[in-house]
Order: sequence, then C-alpha cells, then structure tokens
Amino acid sequence: GAGVSQSPSNKVTEKGKDVELRCDPISGHTALYWYRQSLGQGLEFLIYFQGNSAPDKSGLPSDRFSAERTGGSVSTLTIQRTQQEDSAVYLCASSRQGGGNEQYFGPGTRLTVT
Amino acid sequence: AQSVTQPDIHITVSEGASLELRCNYSYGATPYLFWYVQSPGQGLQLLLKYFSGDTLVQGIKGFEAEFKRSQSSFNLRKPSVHWSDAAEYFCAVGADTGRRALTFGSGTRLQVQP
Repeated sequence: GAGVSQSPSNKVTEKGKDVELRCDPISGHTALYWYRQSLGQGLEFLIYFQGNSAPDKSGLPSDRFSAERTGGSVSTLTIQRTQQEDSAVYLCASSRQGGGNEQYFGPGTRLTVT
Repeated sequence: AQSVTQPDIHITVSEGASLELRCNYSYGATPYLFWYVQSPGQGLQLLLKYFSGDTLVQGIKGFEAEFKRSQSSFNLRKPSVHWSDAAEYFCAVGADTGRRALTFGSGTRLQVQP
C-alpha cells in the first residue's frame, strides 16, 4: 500500500518568508509525527498528533513553528519568518494505534533558507 | 530523560564480512527499541524492532539485533554485508504510551568496500 508522502521534496526560500510543508500519512494511521534532521542536531522530534487529542508540541523549537492536522489525516507544518538555522530535512512519520509505536517515515522535505 | 548513544560515527567493512553496529540506551522503563536505515536522499526505513519477549529479533534484509537489558544495549548485526547495505543506521528508543516521540542516536555511517 501507499506509504507516507511529503511535499514538496525540496523547498528553497528566502530568509523571512513563511513556508508550509505537507504530510500525508498512511491510511488508517491515527498517530502522526514531525521530526527535523539537521547536520548539527541529528534527528529531533518536533510535534506529535494522536487522533483527536491535543498535540504534543514539546519539541517545537520556537513559536515560529506550528502544525495542524485536518480531519485526522493530512498535516501541515508551517514555519513563519524563516531563518537560516531552519535549513534541514523535515521528516514526517505515522503509526497506527496499538502498533507498538512502529513509525513509518516519509521521504522528507529538504528546506534551504537563503 | 531517555537517550541513545551510537559510539561509532563511521564504520568501514569489506563486502562479505560480518557487521555489528553498537547502540546503548538510557530509559526509565522497559524500552521499545528500533533500528532504522537511511540511504542518501531517502527517508528512514524500519529494519527491526524490540518490544518484549525474545531478546534476539530478526529484521528485514538479513539484519538481527539483540536486546541486553544488563548492558542497556541493542546492537545490530549482519553475518555477511552486501554493497547495497552502505547507508546510515539509526538506533531509536520510544514508548507506546505517554510521550511517544522516538529519541534517536546520532547515527552510524556504514561504508562497504568491494
């Protein structure tokens, strides 16, 4: 079946602009996660959605970062007023409830802030 | 706080040789442990997982890992490496309740010599 998809695959933006990154999880997966992968910081958790529960935003690095999940499916990660340190690969993952937290990752969006 | 240590940043092995990638974790309860592989420009692919039960778990592509509670380790092994195994390997720890975000190690880059 279809895996996790993310768009765009690459995004180049100018410092100060806003960007939106999209994630489409595996059908039927109730949990959705955003991670960031950068050279200096490795793989970092950003935010987690589970069903209709309030999201776990504990990993968001600043209030410029936000995310929403509409209809329990597609999620959008928004970065406002981008900075050069936001340059990274943003990975989305999903898992099913009761699945032992086995997370399946998308191919990522490579964000470059110039 | 949970953490994962992968002591080897870079490992080079000859094709056909055996492989062991080290992973040590710190976690307050019985952990859920994972190994992921990432090829250049790709997302993370789940190789194998440990939740409970048999401490030796088998994964895809001929990989296996052994959970040793006394040593807080979850090392990844393969008896005979193929050139296509060249990639970066990440160990991760998480839970199936509460804070479900995975904590990743810094990764081990595997190079395979012909």
